[in-house]
Amino acid sequence: SQTIHQWPATLVQPVGSPLSLECTVEGTSNPNLYWYRQAAGRGLQLLFYSVGIGQISSEVPQNLSASRPQDRQFILSSKKLLLSDSGFYLCAWSGDLTLSYTFGSGTRLTVV
Amino acid sequence: GNSVTQMEGPVTLSEEAFLTINCTYTATGYPSLFWYVQYPGEGLQLLLKATKADDKGSNKGFEATYRKETTSFHLEKGSVQVSDSAVYFCALMSNAGGTSYGKLTFGQGTILTVHP
Repeated sequence: SQTIHQWPATLVQPVGSPLSLECTVEGTSNPNLYWYRQAAGRGLQLLFYSVGIGQISSEVPQNLSASRPQDRQFILSSKKLLLSDSGFYLCAWSGDLTLSYTFGSGTRLTVV
Repeated sequence: GNSVTQMEGPVTLSEEAFLTINCTYTATGYPSLFWYVQYPGEGLQLLLKATKADDKGSNKGFEATYRKETTSFHLEKGSVQVSDSAVYFCALMSNAGGTSYGKLTFGQGTILTVHP
């Protein structure tokens, strides 16, 4: 069966520090991968999506970047965090023939 | 572009009360519609979905009917339980092709709290 792993679960980082969040998928190949952010009191915003290795599309201009070095690995990064980067980050995958996403358990990032 | 509007929360109910969370959408073509649930401290889980007009999605006592004429997908449950306390997200996926294809657009989420 397919599973999605996301880590760490919680993270507290100082302003200006780098960030790396990792997401991996098991049990499927060539998944579509997504990073969403849920800011406090707000809905889910799509940040990045990827349809294949090295293929990244950005939905909103921001301080973050994403990479997909392997088929089932999706990384969210920042060189210098801002206070406004705080939020709950969710990774998700979908297949070409499925309509629904499977989400990871999320990472709660607090920038202080 | 595509958008989803949910009723503002939070919603607070007593156990066994009737629940309705309103959801309306704007989209090109004929999107698929979803309800996701997020329990405290967890990621999102698919609750139910409908892929065409007049379809009814159902799961765990929750129901929602795809109403194309009113562009709505309201979530209902006849008798809520304390364990239903969570955040509920309405979402759509465009099937119209182009840059929106395959991407989920979410509403802002509705916090539901059920008291014993």
